[in-house]
Amino acid sequence: AQKVTQAQTEISVVEKEDVTLDCVYETRDTTYYLFWYKQPPSGELVFLIRRNSFDEQNEISGRYSWNFQKSTSSFNFTITASQVVDSAVYFCALSEAFQNFGNEKLTFGTGTRLTIIP
Amino acid sequence: GAGVSQSPRYKVTKRGQDVALRCDPISGHVSLYWYRQALGQGPEFLTYFNYEAQQDKSGLPNDRFSAERPEGSISTLTIQRTEQRDSAMYRCASSPDFGVAGSGANVLTFGAGSRLTVL
Repeated sequence: AQKVTQAQTEISVVEKEDVTLDCVYETRDTTYYLFWYKQPPSGELVFLIRRNSFDEQNEISGRYSWNFQKSTSSFNFTITASQVVDSAVYFCALSEAFQNFGNEKLTFGTGTRLTIIP
Repeated sequence: GAGVSQSPRYKVTKRGQDVALRCDPISGHVSLYWYRQALGQGPEFLTYFNYEAQQDKSGLPNDRFSAERPEGSISTLTIQRTEQRDSAMYRCASSPDFGVAGSGANVLTFGAGSRLTVL
């Protein structure tokens, strides 16, 4: 069975500090997809990134970067020079490919609440 | 519409009452998903549709929960005889198509959710 663990329940950092959110996953599949979603205080879920299991290249998007390491089953998310607007709950999620055709069933972690202190 | 629309945004009901939650997906999106998110937890899969066909309902907790999407667009999640443990945020999401051979690659666009409180 697939599982996503976000061990950090809450993190607080001072504005402009860098912060890394950890995500560890379990799956029996060799082909899978990993996601990060952001849930700001307003409550919606906002897609941030998708990564497939064959692409271990790190990705950078502005102040956001993601480190995918298959050897440790981790997909960590780093925010550089954090800002107050980054305050949110961040969810890591896993989707196993080919389990059911067309089923984009995501398994989410329990989330990490990030607070950026001005 | 421009985004996934859910109604009502907030619903307070008494135990034993039935509730119906509505989801209007992005126009043209083939697939529609329902998730439930308890306080302090991540969303959990309930069920999903491709067009009007319910493909997987393995996440529905029991037979008090049902969902339909009769015309392949708007969907309704119905909870009969609500219980306090049903209190949660119910999220709907849609995606454009089946993905590439069931690749799991489709990106879901979530609605703002319907927060249900059962007293």
